Amino acid sequence: KQEVTQIPAALSVPEGENLVLNCSFTDSAIYNLQWFRQDPGKGLTSLLLIQSSQREQTSGRLNASLDKSSGRSTLYIAASQPGDSATYLCAVRPWGNNDMRFGAGTRLTVKP
Amino acid sequence: NAGVTQTPKFQVLKTGQSMTLQCAQDMNHEYMSWYRQDPGMGLRLIHYSVGAGITDQGEVPNGYNVSRSTTEDFPLRLLSAAPSQTSVYFCASSYGQSDQPQHFGDGTRLSIL
Repeated sequence: KQEVTQIPAALSVPEGENLVLNCSFTDSAIYNLQWFRQDPGKGLTSLLLIQSSQREQTSGRLNASLDKSSGRSTLYIAASQPGDSATYLCAVRPWGNNDMRFGAGTRLTVKP
Repeated sequence: NAGVTQTPKFQVLKTGQSMTLQCAQDMNHEYMSWYRQDPGMGLRLIHYSVGAGITDQGEVPNGYNVSRSTTEDFPLRLLSAAPSQTSVYFCASSYGQSDQPQHFGDGTRLSIL
């Protein structure tokens, strides 16, 4: 069974800092990996989707990398802003499986 | 374009009651799914549908029913509510089943007393 872990569970940084969020998964046989943002009381917003054949995806200040062989993905946020404060979740879709597996998320606070 | 709309936003039920959580999307997405989110845990898939008339079970389907009579709507039914079903429920949709990003509704916060 695919297990997805996100460490740390919470992170607080000063505004302007570059930061990395980590996601690890136990089975490298994945179709894709997706990073989401969740604001309090809201649903999930897709940030980046990386197919299994890709190594990274970029959108603005966000860069996500994927290393299937080691079962790891990172989400890099450049020049963090208070508006980046949210919970960030990663999810993997295993091969031949319709069940996306989510991590519990990292709650990020960016202090002004 | 409303995206994925879930109703109600909040609901309190008594043990044994039944209810239906509504989910509608206006993006003509074929794939729709229901998740529950519990504190300290990731989202877990309850049921999903790859198109009208087709549904299947996810990781935690017990105690829930779904149907997909139209492309737009995917209601989730609690047959006999139990305290263990207290959770936040999210509906999601996407163009494809595997390679497209999912769009989520804002959730239904359900408490079972």
